Amino acid sequence: AQTVTQSQPEMSVQEAETVTLSCTYDTSESDYYLFWYKQPPSRQMILVIRQEAYKQQNATENRFSVNFQKAAKSFSLKISDSQLGDAAMYFCAYRTRGGGGSQGNLIFGKGTKLSVKP
Amino acid sequence: GAVVSQHPSWVICKSGTSVKIECRSLDFQATTMFWYRQFPKQSLMLMATSNEGSKATYEQGVEKDKFLINHASLTLSTLTVTSAHPEDSSFYICSARDYRLAGAKNIQYFGAGTRLSVL
Repeated sequence: AQTVTQSQPEMSVQEAETVTLSCTYDTSESDYYLFWYKQPPSRQMILVIRQEAYKQQNATENRFSVNFQKAAKSFSLKISDSQLGDAAMYFCAYRTRGGGGSQGNLIFGKGTKLSVKP
Repeated sequence: GAVVSQHPSWVICKSGTSVKIECRSLDFQATTMFWYRQFPKQSLMLMATSNEGSKATYEQGVEKDKFLINHASLTLSTLTVTSAHPEDSSFYICSARDYRLAGAKNIQYFGAGTRLSVL
């Protein structure tokens, strides 16, 4: 079974600085998706960024980028120019690519709480 | 991104009563819907997965007779907590996706969640 591990329960960053959140996963599959979701105090889950495992290029979305190391099964999230609104729980998630129907539910890590200091 | 509407956002009920939570996909067809439960300061725990028109598949340890899931259309799924008790108090989140979409469009979108408090 696949597992997702986030080893940092809490992180803190100064406003305008850069922070990296760690995520590792375990799978025997070769093709899959990886995601970072953000859950602010409102508790609405928001997709931050996604990566398809067959793509070697790291995904980027404005200030958010990932460092995807497939061989090491690592998928870290870098937030540049941190803003107060970035403060939230961040969940790393894995999903198998193959199959249809109900296959491919997200497998979440335990989350990292990010605080942004003004 | 696509919008998933979840209602109500907060419900308080007496022990022994049933509560229904609705989840709607507003601008896409949700072939698959997922129901999660989240305890304070914890991750999301998948309760069940449902495909439109089919019976839901429940995760191990989740009582199917207590948590009734209906996914009768491509835009609506409901979770009914039957005979709720205080231990059912939690945050419930629905999520939806269209598995027919390929690649980058095959995204799971989330509702805003429902806080259930059972007195």
